Amino acid sequence: DAGVTQSPTHLIKTRGQQVTLRCSPKSGHDTVSWYQQALGQGPQFIFQYYEEEERQRGNFPDRFSGHQFPNYSSELNVNALLLGDSALYLCASSQGQGARETQYFGPGTRLLVL
Amino acid sequence: DQQVKQNSPSLSVQEGRISILNCDYTNSMFDYFLWYKKYPAEGPTFLISISSIKDKNEDGRFTVFLNKSAKHLSLHIVPSQPGDSAVYFCAAKGGYYNFNKFYFGSGTKLNVKP
Repeated sequence: DAGVTQSPTHLIKTRGQQVTLRCSPKSGHDTVSWYQQALGQGPQFIFQYYEEEERQRGNFPDRFSGHQFPNYSSELNVNALLLGDSALYLCASSQGQGARETQYFGPGTRLLVL
Repeated sequence: DQQVKQNSPSLSVQEGRISILNCDYTNSMFDYFLWYKKYPAEGPTFLISISSIKDKNEDGRFTVFLNKSAKHLSLHIVPSQPGDSAVYFCAAKGGYYNFNKFYFGSGTKLNVKP
């Protein structure tokens, strides 16, 4: 049973560029959440996708956008990259919508913006 | 908005002894809490959860305690093993505006000495 997978594992971009990160959820999961983890910090919620719609969003600018596909996989897009966007980007998957939802994380994509 | 706080950045414990990791939260609407463990170069791994209708949940060597009046939860690991050395994050969710959004603490790095 494959867990959550993310690609690529590492990425180097320059300021102003755009980046797309990809996530495949755990088998049986239909909900995907994206987090940004800066060095020494906990994960910060970016947004969550369910049924191909953005269901909830954290305090991130519109430069951060996403998409969910019919097979439940998801992409995170970041436009006009800033140095401060350098971080570990984590994808987490879960099943449906529920108060007792448990999220399972992928290994992350480490993004470095130069 | 730091709604979940882990005030101890690090903790060192001797193998075989008890490890106690602490977490405080400010939002009284939070009703579901989780602990994750993270090794370097990996995503967070789910450990144990507790809902606000309970004050204790146990799974093997791991026990989570919830004190709603103090808005405090703790993770006890007994006995501690060197393989438990990792960064531990607590997370919380709940309430109408945060139904699908997890808030994470900044983590506590546990070092279990042989």
